[in-house]
Amino acid sequence: ELKVEQNPLFLSMQEGKNYTIYCNYSTTSDRLYWYRQDPGKSLESLFVLLSNGAVKQEGRLMASLDTKARLSTLHITAAVHDLSATYFCAVAPSLNDYKLSFGAGTTVTVRA
Amino acid sequence: DTGVSQDPRHKITKRGQNVTFRCDPISEHNRLYWYRQTLGQGPEFLTYFQNEAQLEKSRLLSDRFSAERPKGSFSTLEIQRTEQGDSAMYLCASSPPGGSQETQYFGPGTRLLVL
Repeated sequence: ELKVEQNPLFLSMQEGKNYTIYCNYSTTSDRLYWYRQDPGKSLESLFVLLSNGAVKQEGRLMASLDTKARLSTLHITAAVHDLSATYFCAVAPSLNDYKLSFGAGTTVTVRA
Repeated sequence: DTGVSQDPRHKITKRGQNVTFRCDPISEHNRLYWYRQTLGQGPEFLTYFQNEAQLEKSRLLSDRFSAERPKGSFSTLEIQRTEQGDSAMYLCASSPPGGSQETQYFGPGTRLLVL
């Protein structure tokens, strides 16, 4: 069974500082996703990472994937209040397996 | 641009009643997924369809749960004889045909409360 672990589960950020969220998974995978969820809302896709060494950036968020270490990171640069949300990583076990296994999520709060 | 829609958005029911949820995927998305999310947790996979065929079901999906996608468009998820443990957010997602870069686009969810 594919297990996905995120840490930390809660992250209090100070505006303007940099932080990293980690996502470890237990078996080999071909696809890793990062989603954002605001309270009471659905999930918004942020990134899809497909290969070892993949790096994607959008605004203050940058995601990377190390398939050998079974690790993805979501790096937040110069945190701003708008980034307060819960961030999930999700993993698909193989190219032909479409079900996603999600981590428990990292709840981010950005304070002034 | 219409995304994935779900109906109803909220449902309160009494234990033992049956409930049915509907999901309308993004037009031309051939894959449709159902997930369940409880408070403080990530979504858990329930089942998925490719066109009208239900290709996989999670062990989480007990006999009381059934899902259909009769014409390969919208889908319904029915829970029979609801239990308090069924209280959760039920999320539907869809994805387009194509390669491995497909993203699953999630709907707003149906929040179920079983009293």
